[in-house]
Amino acid sequence: GIQVEQSPPDLILQEGANSTLRCNFSDSVNNLQWFHQNPWGQLINLFYIPSGTKQNGRLSATTVATERYSLLYISSSQTTDSGVYFCAVEEPFGNEKLTFGTGTRLTIIP
Amino acid sequence: DAGVIQSPRHEVTEMGQEVTLRCKPISGHNSLFWYRQTMMRGLELLIYFNNNVPIDDSGMPEDRFSAKMPNASFSTLKIQPSEPRDSAVYFCASSHTGIEQPQHFGDGTRLSIL
Repeated sequence: GIQVEQSPPDLILQEGANSTLRCNFSDSVNNLQWFHQNPWGQLINLFYIPSGTKQNGRLSATTVATERYSLLYISSSQTTDSGVYFCAVEEPFGNEKLTFGTGTRLTIIP
Repeated sequence: DAGVIQSPRHEVTEMGQEVTLRCKPISGHNSLFWYRQTMMRGLELLIYFNNNVPIDDSGMPEDRFSAKMPNASFSTLKIQPSEPRDSAVYFCASSHTGIEQPQHFGDGTRLSIL
């Protein structure tokens, strides 16, 4: 099956800093989604982004499908951004099945 | 709009007991997914349904696990008999099949088998 690797595994930043999280995948994908798991365990869908760039407030994401990677940018970090960020991909003909990466744990220090 | 609703939020039971987890998907969504999250294995898909029909159950660990979706607004995941290694957080997610349809997750059920 498809392999999904995320980096870095852990990231600690001061409030106000910017960050870039990376997701590499080993094969072509139908779609790619980014999720945030907050400290209470809730999984929130951030972006549905099989290709191109999307922005939502301080967050933006870019997927370069031909090169098999996606980036999640967080600008002006806030403590509420802390948690684990997952990328998940759907293989072609995968019938909506998502394979999750191992996540990047982000800690924002006040 | 109500999101995906899971119950119970927490379940603690002794090994050998039957456990039933419940999920109500977002109204209008026609795909439903059950995931399990553990420290060792991360997030893994157990089974998913489309239009109430099980499409892929290859992630179900063993015969002790079963899932049903009797109608568009309700699904259950059952473990019988339960074992300590089943302890995990179980998530249900739903989506609407089509273009640009993200998966939306419930808050999960934290299951502890003693």
